[in-house]
Amino acid sequence: GAVVSQHPSWVICKSGTSVKIECRSLDFQATTMFWYRQFPKQSLMLMATSNEGSKATYEQGVEKDKFLINHASLTLSTLTVTSAHPEDSSFYICSARMAGGYTEAFFGQGTRLTVV
Amino acid sequence: AQSVTQLDSQVPVFEEAPVELRCNYSSSVSVYLFWYVQYPNQGLQLLLKYLSGSTLVKGINGFEAEFNKSQTSFHLRKPSVHISDTAEYFCAVRRGSLSGGYNKLIFGAGTRLAVHP
Repeated sequence: GAVVSQHPSWVICKSGTSVKIECRSLDFQATTMFWYRQFPKQSLMLMATSNEGSKATYEQGVEKDKFLINHASLTLSTLTVTSAHPEDSSFYICSARMAGGYTEAFFGQGTRLTVV
Repeated sequence: AQSVTQLDSQVPVFEEAPVELRCNYSSSVSVYLFWYVQYPNQGLQLLLKYLSGSTLVKGINGFEAEFNKSQTSFHLRKPSVHISDTAEYFCAVRRGSLSGGYNKLIFGAGTRLAVHP
């Protein structure tokens, strides 16, 4: 159980276009989802936390107009990279957790975004 | 604020040898501690976690870790590694919460374990 699926696994887009990444909890209801960014050979950097039905909370330095996060249902959150540029190329990972303070977050398999 | 230091960026080891990946944390409050493994181009998989109780925690794939409060460490160990253990390992800390609320994970920089035949 506790499977989190991201789609797509990899995507290539042209500079200036927008791309949407989906994060789904397949067998549980995710009240909270997290979006991370990971640069090559580096650790995960938390971008934002989203709670179902409310606005996402962004970490300092993350542009909320650039990285649009929607958590419209208990099983789906989306990250849209708007007007993508080559510097947005990265590995994006989501995680999701159930309600309850002591439950753990489960990670998706990640999405490799390349902007050309 | 919490922070995590993984002392080794890379650890090369021969197959069937023991390995220890070191992790130290800094926090003025109680914390929960985690080790995750990441295979190339994949997400993170939880190896083990310490929430409370016994300081020796056993996880999946034969890994274990020991919480040492006095040394603020949570080192990961495996007595005999396999080629398939080659991956990136992340130590993470999350501030404990008496109220049951969820605090975000803080990750270390990662340790690349390379197992050689």
